[in-house]
Amino acid sequence: QTVVTQEPSFSVSPGGTVTLTCGLSSGSVSTSYYPSWYQQTPGQAPRTVIYSTNTRSSGVPDRFSGSILGNKAALTITGAQADDESDYYCVLYMGSGIWVFGGGTKLTVL
Amino acid sequence: QVHLVESGGGVVQPGRSLRLSCAASGFTFSSYAFHWVRQTPGKGLEWVAVMSYDETQRYYADSVKGRFTISRDNSRNTLYLQMNSLRAEDTAVYYCTRGSYGDLAWGQGTLVTVSS
Repeated sequence: QTVVTQEPSFSVSPGGTVTLTCGLSSGSVSTSYYPSWYQQTPGQAPRTVIYSTNTRSSGVPDRFSGSILGNKAALTITGAQADDESDYYCVLYMGSGIWVFGGGTKLTVL
Repeated sequence: QVHLVESGGGVVQPGRSLRLSCAASGFTFSSYAFHWVRQTPGKGLEWVAVMSYDETQRYYADSVKGRFTISRDNSRNTLYLQMNSLRAEDTAVYYCTRGSYGDLAWGQGTLVTVSS
């Protein structure tokens, strides 16, 4: 069974740049997986940040961007702010109607 | 404005059934696919099921296949999740989400607790 991998945690300084990744236990992520990213703060429902690799969801600041870096999908935050401190989840489309989430990355801004 | 409101959660004994509902408003319900996504308290997200806008396609995670059924009533703008043979590991907040290709709008979720 293919596992979607994410860094468990990451830290960035205010104003800094951070790149979170989303990979596969076997194989490479491409745009055909429609990699998408969700932000969740404690006690809240997730919200969509990036979908289909690099499209920002409505209302999401342009400091968030998505891409494919090497064999992984990536979420880059440029000029991180304190309220970017959240859990970030990626999801990949595996085909045949099946989607799989990664385990999430806890981002700390300090 | 997209509005998704889940209901039907609660405490249920193992082996019993529960049906979740998701009332939608603010958009043309029949034009969108819908997913159910769940989150075990303190843990990550797990995709559960998806149904196409025209009800012709339904897919499930292996963990719920054969026990859960996703359905929709386009006349009532409502999505459902029938959960049978519930297990302790089904305990989670269940989110109704609208969208395709990862562009999801999320409800606030409803908590299901499976416990004797």
